Amino acid sequence: EAGVAQSPRYKIIEKRQSVAFWCNPISGHATLYWYQQILGQGPKLLIQFQNNGVVDDSQLPKDRFSAERLKGVDSTLKIQPAKLEDSAVYLCASSWTGRNEKLFFGSGTQLSVL
Amino acid sequence: AQKVTQAQTEISVVEKEDVTLDCVYETRDTTYYLFWYKQPPSGELVFLIRRNSFDEQNEISGRYSWNFQKSTSSFNFTITASQVVDSAVYFCALSALTISNFGNEKLTFGTGTRLTIIP
Repeated sequence: EAGVAQSPRYKIIEKRQSVAFWCNPISGHATLYWYQQILGQGPKLLIQFQNNGVVDDSQLPKDRFSAERLKGVDSTLKIQPAKLEDSAVYLCASSWTGRNEKLFFGSGTQLSVL
Repeated sequence: AQKVTQAQTEISVVEKEDVTLDCVYETRDTTYYLFWYKQPPSGELVFLIRRNSFDEQNEISGRYSWNFQKSTSSFNFTITASQVVDSAVYFCALSALTISNFGNEKLTFGTGTRLTIIP
């Protein structure tokens, strides 16, 4: 079974630039998550999709972050414009139903904002 | 509000020693789930275990064991006869099931414990 795919693996940008991350979940998984993991901290949920609808984006900084999940499969997360404090690992995860079950994570995208 | 506390930031033990990682949680919900995930250097979080609040039985899986105690709001993880491959960051996490968030149970992670096994 193929795992959660993410790209790019690493990204370095300057502040005020824009950046996009891509995620392909495990086939058949209805729920897709984007987490932000700042160095030394646990992952923090940014947005959760159920199929192609948003069920939770309460911690997404909507003035600069946006995400979409077209056709209920792949997803992209965008930051525009980036700030220094956005430096983190961005993790994508998926699960079958999103109901208190285990999540399958990708390897993440490490973003450095200079 | 939910909260997970992992007070141990870093632990180092010599290979073959036993080690326990502590996890203390806070929630007002009566129905909740506790998880442990492992994050090796590759970065991908790997699921280890899920426990619901109604099942306080301890669980053992090979060298891994988990002790769930509702009386102290703790869900501790023990590795017996540690190996170098156990070196990773370990996260404890909590999600709760309530009427208000039914179908949208958010997972709250602790800050993690970095475990280093010294050969």
